[in-house]
Order: sequence, then C-alpha cells, then structure tokens
Amino acid sequence: KQEVTQIPAALSVPEGENLVLNCSFTDSAIYNLQWFRQDPGKGLTSLLLIQSSQREQTSGRLNASLDKSSGRSTLYIAASQPGDSATYLCAVEVGHVQKLVFGQGTRLTINP
Amino acid sequence: ETGVTQSPTHLIKTRGQQVTLRCSSQSGHNTVSWYQQALGQGPQFIFQYYREEENGRGNFPPRFSGLQFPNYSSELNVNALELDDSALYLCASSSQTRGGLPDTQYFGPGTRLTVL
Repeated sequence: KQEVTQIPAALSVPEGENLVLNCSFTDSAIYNLQWFRQDPGKGLTSLLLIQSSQREQTSGRLNASLDKSSGRSTLYIAASQPGDSATYLCAVEVGHVQKLVFGQGTRLTINP
Repeated sequence: ETGVTQSPTHLIKTRGQQVTLRCSSQSGHNTVSWYQQALGQGPQFIFQYYREEENGRGNFPPRFSGLQFPNYSSELNVNALELDDSALYLCASSSQTRGGLPDTQYFGPGTRLTVL
C-alpha cells in the first residue's frame, strides 16, 4: 500500500528566505508526482507535475525534484513571499486509474 | 476554457440523511475523480468515472456512490450520513485515453459538508 509522508507538518519562515519542503513515498511504482497548493478552505492548485521518467521540474520560483529509487521529492521555493503562505500537498499517481495518493501536507507561513 | 465547478459550496446535514454533491468538469475532459479531505488531512480517493463508467474505487463503503453524465459532469451521493463524513469533498477532472499517459488533474473548489 502506497503511503506518502510530508515533513515538516508546519513551517514558519521570514520573507525572502529560500526553503525546502520534503515528501517521501513508500512504493517507487508511480506514474508521476505532483505538488499542489491549497489555501484555507479552498480547492487544490497544481504547481508542478514530474513524470516518473523525469528528475525535476521548474516553474518560476519553484523547483521540484524526484528521486524515484529513494522514494523522495523536494519542493524548493526561492525568495519566499507572504503570498506563498498556504498548505503544500505532495501526491503520487498510482495504478491504472488516475488515483492520487496524498501526503498530509506542510502548512507554510511566510512572515513579512 | 471553463474550470472545474462544484455545487453547493457548503452544506449542513444531520446524521442518517442523504446528500448529493455535483461537479462540472473542465471543458474537453472525460474523467472525473472524487476525493474526501478531512480537516488537517490530505485528500483521500473515493472513486473515478471515465466515460460514464466507474473506473476505480478507493476504500469507501457502498453508501458512497456516483454517476457521470454524457456531458461528463458528475454526482457524488452519500447515504446514511455519519458524523465522520464531515469533510471537504473535491472533484477533479482530466482527459485520458485508455493506454495513454495520464493527464494533469484539475481540481474544483470543493463542497464543505458538515454532518450534525
């Protein structure tokens, strides 16, 4: 059974810092890994999708890496801003169905 | 291009009642997945519909059921509501072909269900 873990559960940093969020998964048989952002009480916004054959993806200040063999992914956020405050969720896609298995998320607070 | 929409936004029910939640897929998408997100947790997969047929199911009891219509919109029905069914229910749509690479899933804003 695939399990996804995110560390830390919560993170608070001052504006301008670079930071790393971690995600680990137990089964390397994945189609892809996605990072999502969720604002309080809202739906999910896809940030980055890494196919299983890829090592990393970049979008603006965000960079996500994938090491399938070790079951790990990191989301790097450069020059953090207060608007980056949200919960960040990592999910892996498994099986012939487009089933996403999510971690519990990291609640990020960027202090002005 | 319209996004994924869900209705209603919020809903309050009492234990034992039945509820129907609705989802309109993004234009051109033929697949809808439903997820349940309890407070402070990550979403959990309930089931998926592809071209009006159930295409996979998570670890949820049969009182959770669904439909997908010819226009690819979808409903989630929950019977005999329990207190633990209180959660944010998310739907996600995507476009996929059998045997093809999965496409990105686009999530709706969710329906917040409270069971008293």
